[in-house]
Amino acid sequence: GAVVSQHPSWVICKSGTSVKIECRSLDFQATTMFWYRQFPKQSLMLMATSNEGSKATYEQGVEKDKFLINHASLTLSTLTVTSAHPEDSSFYICSALLAGTSTDTQYFGPGTRLTVL
Amino acid sequence: SQKIEQNSEALNIQEGKTATLTCNYTNYSPAYLQWYRQDPGRGPVFLLLIRENEKEKRKERLKVTFDTTLKQSLFHITASQPADSATYLCALTGGDSSYKLIFGSGTRLLVRP
Repeated sequence: GAVVSQHPSWVICKSGTSVKIECRSLDFQATTMFWYRQFPKQSLMLMATSNEGSKATYEQGVEKDKFLINHASLTLSTLTVTSAHPEDSSFYICSALLAGTSTDTQYFGPGTRLTVL
Repeated sequence: SQKIEQNSEALNIQEGKTATLTCNYTNYSPAYLQWYRQDPGRGPVFLLLIRENEKEKRKERLKVTFDTTLKQSLFHITASQPADSATYLCALTGGDSSYKLIFGSGTRLLVRP
């Protein structure tokens, strides 16, 4: 149980285009999902908290107009990287919080490798 | 500022030995501490969670200790196997309603056959 998927697993795009990444909780409902970014040989950095039915909460230094987050249902959150540039190339990972638990265990997706040319 | 430190150098051990990984933190009072495994190009996989009032937690060949006085957690893998080779991340949360996790940089474990 507690499986999270991401789509696509990798994407290559031209500079200036927008890219949408989907995060789905497959066998549970998640009112809260998180988006992380990971550069090579570095740890995961939290970008934003996505709450179903409300606006996302962004971490300091993360541009909300560049990284659009939509959490339209209890099983789906999307991250759109708008006007992508080469410096946005990274490994983007989402996680979903299993609702109803007394601890805050997050289940992670397999990640999406974004390469901006 | 809050800081989580894991040994950046890879830990290289012989199969069958016990691997011990360290996670130290400063300026932080986490309610929970978690350990994850991450393989190259993959998302983290949850392994164990230990609460601030727990000293030790076990799961099969895994053992985690949590010393809030030393601000340190130790992660042990007994009878290590080459399949245990991966990067291991510790993550902390303050236990507030945000459920945010702050990750350490991870330690890479290599288990030689």
